[in-house]
Amino acid sequence: QLVLTQSPSASASLGASVKLTCTLTSGRSTSAIAWHQQQPEKGPRYLMKVNSDGSHDKGDGIPDRFSGSSSGAERYLIISSLQSEDEADYYCHAWGPGIRVFGGGTKLTVL
Amino acid sequence: EVQLVESGGGLVKPGGSLRLSCAASGFTYINAWMAWVRQAPGKGLEWVGQIKSKSDGGTTDYAAPVKGRFIISRDDSRNTLYLQMNSLKIEDTAVYYCTRNDPVFDYWGQGTLVTVSS
Repeated sequence: QLVLTQSPSASASLGASVKLTCTLTSGRSTSAIAWHQQQPEKGPRYLMKVNSDGSHDKGDGIPDRFSGSSSGAERYLIISSLQSEDEADYYCHAWGPGIRVFGGGTKLTVL
Repeated sequence: EVQLVESGGGLVKPGGSLRLSCAASGFTYINAWMAWVRQAPGKGLEWVGQIKSKSDGGTTDYAAPVKGRFIISRDDSRNTLYLQMNSLKIEDTAVYYCTRNDPVFDYWGQGTLVTVSS
C-alpha cells in the first residue's frame, strides 16, 4: 500500500528557511516523490522530483530557493529566503503501477 | 509552451452525467500518459485516474471512488483528453484538473468546476 504522510501545517518567518516533510509508507523508502505548490485560489504547480538518494529535478522556472533532499523514507522540500508568495499548500505525490497517490498537504504560513 | 485547457464543467444533478475535455498543446501528446486529479472544496488533491499512451497500451486505471462510474479516453488526432463522468454523486463536486502524467504531473491545467447538486 502506498501512503504519504504530511504535517497539516507549518510556519516560518519572512526571509527564513523551512523544511517540509513527506513520509513514505514503510517498505517504500526507495521511491521517488514529486512536490507541488498550490497558491491560494490557483491550480497546482509542479516544483520538483526528489529521488531516494536526495537528488532532485526541478520544474520549469522554479527558483533556486527551492530544493529537495531525502533521508530513509522521508522526502523533504526546503525553501530558503522565504517570500510572501511562498505562502501556499504543498503536496507530495508518489506513483506505482496503476496508482498515483497524494499526501494530505501542508499549509505553509509565512509570518 | 505547454498548455492544458480543461472545459465542460458545470452544475449537474445527482445521478447525472457530464463529460470534461482537456485540450493539450506544446508537447508530443501522442506519447504522453495523462491523468485527471480533482480537489473538493477546501480539501486536498485526489487522483481520479490515468490513461497510458497508445504505444504503451492505452490502458486506464481509476481510483476506487470513481471506478465503474468514470471513463477516461483520449483522441490523439485532436490532442484531447476526456473524462466521462456517470452516476454522479454529491461527493464528486470538485475542481477537476488534467495533468501530464510522466509520472511526476509536471504540467497542470487551470481546472474546471463540477458541482453536483439537486
